[in-house]
Amino acid sequence: QVQLQESGPGLVRPSETLSLTCSVSGGSLTTFYWSWIRQVPAKGLEWLGFVHHSGVTVYSPALNSRITMSLDTSRSQFSLSLTSVSAADTALYYCAREAVIPTSGDSSFDIWGQGTLVTVSS
Amino acid sequence: SSELTQDPTVSVALGQTAKITCQGDSLRSYYVSWYQQKPGQAPVLVIYSKKNRPSGIPERFSGSGSGVTASLTITGAQAEDEADYYCCSRDSSGNQLNVLFGGGTKLTVL
Repeated sequence: QVQLQESGPGLVRPSETLSLTCSVSGGSLTTFYWSWIRQVPAKGLEWLGFVHHSGVTVYSPALNSRITMSLDTSRSQFSLSLTSVSAADTALYYCAREAVIPTSGDSSFDIWGQGTLVTVSS
Repeated sequence: SSELTQDPTVSVALGQTAKITCQGDSLRSYYVSWYQQKPGQAPVLVIYSKKNRPSGIPERFSGSGSGVTASLTITGAQAEDEADYYCCSRDSSGNQLNVLFGGGTKLTVL
């Protein structure tokens, strides 16, 4: 039973860097894609990007200049770094496993962490 | 830019059929997935690749669609189905891979 757990600071100052880690238990990071998704409270879901064990990363065009993701298979973790944050980045951040069908490119997020709330405020 | 459009609210009488729709150009190229989110909980995958149910999802949930439209149907809606539902698909219209979520539909079971 694969489980994901987000961790990181709940409060980040404006203009600083938001850093979160997702710990994966019960499975290997050498398959699947590993994503970050956020949700402004009472609003919809926003995909931030994914990282693959091959080193491939793809980020949301809206955040491309501020975001970095990485994966550490030895620690069974993957991480998110978002620079120059503002109040607009206040959200519940989820990590999720993305299953991709190689022949079609279709994907779905089949396992999610419980989410961690990050507030950007001075 | 591409987007997925959902009706904000749908209501259904207990035991009746609810249909939630999602529209977007990306659905011409990629299949949709659907997620159920209850208050205070993480989203749960209920349909993938347009019409497939993950293990553990009740048979009353089904998916369909063609062209730019996808639908999630709940046949015999139960009180526990009251939740927000989001559609999702990949998109490559901007020459870069992206993932889109619809704005969500709040399903009320009356």
